Formats: sequence, structure tokens, C-alpha cells
Amino acid sequence: EIVLTQSPTTTAASPGEKVTITCLASSSVSNMYWYQQKSGASPKLLIYSTSSLASGVPDRFSGSGSGTSYSLTINTMEAEDAATYYCQQWSSNPPTFGGGTKLELK
Amino acid sequence: QVTLKESGPGMLQPSKTLSLTCSFSGFSLSTSGMVVSWIRQPSGKSLEWLAAIDWDGDKYYNPSLKSRLTVSKDTSNTQVFLKITSVDTADTATYYCARRWELGYFDYWGQGVMVTVSS
Repeated sequence: EIVLTQSPTTTAASPGEKVTITCLASSSVSNMYWYQQKSGASPKLLIYSTSSLASGVPDRFSGSGSGTSYSLTINTMEAEDAATYYCQQWSSNPPTFGGGTKLELK
Repeated sequence: QVTLKESGPGMLQPSKTLSLTCSFSGFSLSTSGMVVSWIRQPSGKSLEWLAAIDWDGDKYYNPSLKSRLTVSKDTSNTQVFLKITSVDTADTATYYCARRWELGYFDYWGQGVMVTVSS
């Protein structure tokens, strides 16, 4: 199975600060998906097909990457962005998730 | 409006069989490309995909758990079921069902059901 390694594991950002989360795949994948999960809630789709914003997602979020290296960027941190973020692939079975990145408000 | 909701026993003893139900509305599992998956998340940990069933009735399993999993759906295509045999404490988690349509991402998730395996 494809292992997804996210970094950092934990990070903190001040309002207005730029945040970048990286997801490295153990083998090349064609697309990466990103989810946001707030405490006690289900994961919410943020980015699909590597760089497309899901419906209702603010445009301060963006995704990029190819092959084995992908990233999620929050252009200007807001308090409501404090959450855990997961990357996910389904280029090969089984679909797998990264270990998560916890983003805290500084 | 697409909604999914999981239901389950809450708590069960080791070695028993866990039965979970995903009830959904707002879409039809008979639509080409539609898939409902089961995903679990132990407290404080990441997400693990378990199994899926698609619009054609084809079933997919995580190889690491395949021998213990059975996914099925009802004939009205409004519910999906998951059975996990021989549970132990490592199966304690929140279990989610989620929809996938054509592409490889999960666009709608249920609220999750917490399952505790304890004697």
C-alpha cells in the first residue's frame, strides 16, 4: 500500500501567517486529496484532484504537487483554520491517509 | 441534500462480531460510479479505510483486515452494512461511512459512531 507521510506533525501559526503542510507518498500518485477535521467532527473535504477547491472552501486554501510530493497551503491563517489536516490518495488500492498535521492558533 | 448516518452497538466484548449500519439519503447507490466506504479513526489517531461497496455491488477490502470484514448493502440501496468479526481492543474507534462518486475522494461523511471493545 502507498504510505503518506505528512509534515510537520504539529505546527502553530498567528493570524495572517502563511502555512504549508507537506504530504510525501511512498510511490507516485496521480492525485491528492485534503481534508480538515475539527475536534469532535467528521473530516471535511477541502481539496480534490490535487488543486481544486471543494464547494464552500475559502480561497485562502490551495493545493499543489505531483508525483510523490504534495502540499496544502493556507495563504493567511485565520482562527477558524485551527484543526487537523489529512492528505489522502486513491491512485492505488487500498486508499490511504496521511498521519495528520495538527494546526494550532498562535 | 446528501446525508449519511452510522449506527452501531456502542460497546461490545472482545471476540464478538461488530455490526454497523450506514443509512443514507440524497443520492442513490445504484448510480454509476457511486461508492460507499467505511473508514475508522481511533481516538487521537489518523484515518484507516476499511471497505467499500459500489453501485454494481462490487466489494473492496483493506488487505490488512480483509479476513475479518464483510460489507453489504440492502436491496433498496439506502443502507450499507459492515461486519467485523473477532473484535479486540484495537478495534475501538469512531467508525465513519463516506460517499465517493467517480473520483477518488470522499465528498460526504457521516457523523461517525463510536465503538468501544471492552470486557
